[in-house]
Amino acid sequence: EIVLTQSPDTLSLSPGERATLSCRASQSVSGYLAWYQQKPGQAPRLLIYDASNRATDIPARISGSGSGTDFTLTISSLEPEDFGVYYCQQRRNWPSYTFGQGTKLEIK
Amino acid sequence: QLVESGGGLVQPGGSLRLSCAASGFTFNNYWMTWVRQAPGKGLEWVANIKQDGSEKDYVDSVKGRFSISRDNVKKSLYLQMNSLRADDTAVYYCARDMAVAGGSYYYYGMDVRGQGTTVTVSS
Repeated sequence: EIVLTQSPDTLSLSPGERATLSCRASQSVSGYLAWYQQKPGQAPRLLIYDASNRATDIPARISGSGSGTDFTLTISSLEPEDFGVYYCQQRRNWPSYTFGQGTKLEIK
Repeated sequence: QLVESGGGLVQPGGSLRLSCAASGFTFNNYWMTWVRQAPGKGLEWVANIKQDGSEKDYVDSVKGRFSISRDNVKKSLYLQMNSLRADDTAVYYCARDMAVAGGSYYYYGMDVRGQGTTVTVSS
């Protein structure tokens, strides 16, 4: 099983700052990595699929990069609605998926 | 849009059937997926099913206990859960998965669009 490890566990930043979240895979997942945002009491929202493709209606300030085992989600200038928990997910062995443990992005 | 239903409180060893009603897209062109989230925990993929129902896959922890199915006429996805255990307690979400058209596969992400349904396994 491919294990995804996210870092840091918690990130405390202020609106307007740049956020960088990391996801590392235990073996190569090629470019088959997605990112989700989840707010309390809500379903996860797809942000990025296949490493760098923004999902529908996702703003340009949110971007993804990486390949193989190391991936990054970058939010160039944080807005209040960007806070929440972020998960990475791999589909290297689709149709099965695994998720990372999550990174909490909180307001400083 | 995806609307889940069927959750509730059930005793260990019991059964429950979840449903997911789809609208706003061509249901029979997509694989469909169930994912779950235990209280205070992260996300876990549970199962998915091919657009015509001919292929299914499950996470190891539910194999032999859960069964995924679909009805393309009713545009609905189902999850039959048997021999439920306390560690099956979670919010269950359905999601739109891989698109298939003309024999070709198109991936736009696993899109979780529903609000989820809560399953609690407890005596």
